[in-house]
Amino acid sequence: KNEVEQSPQNLTAQEGEFITINCSYSVGISALHWLQQHPGGGIVSLFMLSSGKKKHGRLIATINIQEKHSSLHITASHPRDSAVYICAVKGNQFYFGTGTSLTVIP
Amino acid sequence: GAVVSQHPSWVICKSGTSVKIECRSLDFQATTMFWYRQFPKQSLMLMATSNEGSKATYEQGVEKDKFLINHASLTLSTLTVTSAHPEDSSFYICSASYAGSNYGYTFGSGTRLTVV
Repeated sequence: KNEVEQSPQNLTAQEGEFITINCSYSVGISALHWLQQHPGGGIVSLFMLSSGKKKHGRLIATINIQEKHSSLHITASHPRDSAVYICAVKGNQFYFGTGTSLTVIP
Repeated sequence: GAVVSQHPSWVICKSGTSVKIECRSLDFQATTMFWYRQFPKQSLMLMATSNEGSKATYEQGVEKDKFLINHASLTLSTLTVTSAHPEDSSFYICSASYAGSNYGYTFGSGTRLTVV
């Protein structure tokens, strides 16, 4: 069983739709990261959370420490949001989810 | 701030040769750097953790003699894939932690290695 589980694995949305990606983890953590990986492979760190909620532009990330769950929301999705979104948690080491592949269709 | 530059972004090499990948922190001192490997359609796998001035700590199953890691300064860590084989073809990414930011980590842009 993976320490980090993401859902869904694949997601296709129409431009403008509200998108939610979920992440559940089973280990004690000091922080949770949401990462974005574009088709070329480069990774961008979107958020680092240890509690509560963060917002950056159209992206919102929340975390519930008690439930060991985090969500990444994208409002008014756009084709340029198409990427793989990875949840990673920092416990005694980094654990990564397998990613959610998002495709936003114009 | 907190930018990590990884070079090269892609490399093709012949079997049996060695390839060096560099990871530099441009505007901060990276006390710890991490090296990851990613196979197609899979998530990142931690290979090793390197601390400046000391030997790297390798994850179980990672051959330390094959994947040489050097972290000689607070701004540079290198991963050398020695005697590369086609099965070493993969995407390699580094990340660095930086002091002064609570649990801050930043990632390099990755290196796609193809061994022919």
